[in-house]
Amino acid sequence: EPEVTQTPSHQVTQMGQEVILRCVPISNHLYFYWYRQILGQKVEFLVSFYNNEISEKSEIFDDQFSVERPDGSNFTLKIRSTKLEDSAMYFCASIGSTYEQYFGPGTRLTVT
Amino acid sequence: AQTVTQSQPEMSVQEAETVTLSCTYDTSESDYYLFWYKQPPSRQMILVIRQEAYKQQNATENRFSVNFQKAAKSFSLKISDSQLGDAAMYFCAYFGGSQGNLIFGKGTKLSVKP
Repeated sequence: EPEVTQTPSHQVTQMGQEVILRCVPISNHLYFYWYRQILGQKVEFLVSFYNNEISEKSEIFDDQFSVERPDGSNFTLKIRSTKLEDSAMYFCASIGSTYEQYFGPGTRLTVT
Repeated sequence: AQTVTQSQPEMSVQEAETVTLSCTYDTSESDYYLFWYKQPPSRQMILVIRQEAYKQQNATENRFSVNFQKAAKSFSLKISDSQLGDAAMYFCAYFGGSQGNLIFGKGTKLSVKP
């Protein structure tokens, strides 16, 4: 069964550093998403991506964040200058024809 | 704006018993989708069940079923014959036509006692 994959599973970085989180969505899906979950809290929407451009973004998705689909398979989330409060689980998801969003296993980002 | 409310932060059930997790939502749209996701300690988000708002029939997936009350904007999850592996956080989520992303509730932590 096709699945969304994410790398790395865990990333530790120092405050102020740039990080890139990678995702490979399910191949025939067209909409891609990034969500974030701070430990113990609910899952929050960051950004959606369709047809090689941002479709929607939340208030969380400020100028420190960017997304890119550099090739036909990868979908990346970049945080330019990480802050302590960026520590969270980051999930990539892609949506199929029946509107079900399939989530990757997540990347745990720890900013020290 | 659409909102999703899960009023039970924690629930507990005895193994083999039945438990119902509550979810209410607020929307002005008529066409939308509702989901329950399971998040075990691994923190993977696993789709449990989905419901289309235009369908009157309640969705079922093996031991999981929903009670969808569109007029009341209620979408509860029933887990029958609870198993130890059902212990997890459960999130209710809304996906609307004009809202391109999932909106999640705060979750209910389910414990299963042997």
